[in-house]
Amino acid sequence: GESVGLHLPTLSVQEGDNSIINCAYSNSASDYFIWYKQESGKGPQFIIDIRSNMDKRQGQRVTVLLNKTVKHLSLQIAATQPGDSAVYFCAENKDGGATNKLIFGTGTLLAVQP
Amino acid sequence: ETGVTQSPTHLIKTRGQQVTLRCSSQSGHNTVSWYQQALGQGPQFIFQYYREEENGRGNFPPRFSGLQFPNYSSELNVNALELDDSALYLCATTAPRLDTHNEQFFGPGTRLTVL
Repeated sequence: GESVGLHLPTLSVQEGDNSIINCAYSNSASDYFIWYKQESGKGPQFIIDIRSNMDKRQGQRVTVLLNKTVKHLSLQIAATQPGDSAVYFCAENKDGGATNKLIFGTGTLLAVQP
Repeated sequence: ETGVTQSPTHLIKTRGQQVTLRCSSQSGHNTVSWYQQALGQGPQFIFQYYREEENGRGNFPPRFSGLQFPNYSSELNVNALELDDSALYLCATTAPRLDTHNEQFFGPGTRLTVL
């Protein structure tokens, strides 16, 4: 299928290694952040979210870190697997939940080498 | 799978034509948002519908319009198609809000090509 990863920053990791994907967000007033995974030919899939009153949240094999001082968000994937290969987007909500409007980053292509 | 379906999956139109894209959500998901995703970029918010009314819009011209029906399904209409409208169009639905933010469930998208 057609790739959405053309011209995107690429992170290449070995299977079993940990992956860290970084994102800078734009609005200090944003209070909700989400990481999405998008495989070729599919819509974005929710991975994990975090609210601005937290600096860390853990899920299954994934951890999101939020640094509001430098407006930086990161996604850590433990023991990366071939099925993790996809484009990863961070997204922010800027309007305090008044709408579901999400502002997406440019995306990072994660390539897992067997 | 998210339970959100979109039709058609692919569509080819010519410049100046009009197009209607459709989205059906999970039962009870009463908010729907539409996004445009150009190749190699992140999705961009077009607008949101809640209780059959538009209640949020991104930087898109009026030729992008929408509808939400009583069963919460939705349409995106684009008039006077331009070449730059070629993109993947995504809809995302949300359950009735229990908290300030609820998870959005994305459909697989409709790939629109304008020639």
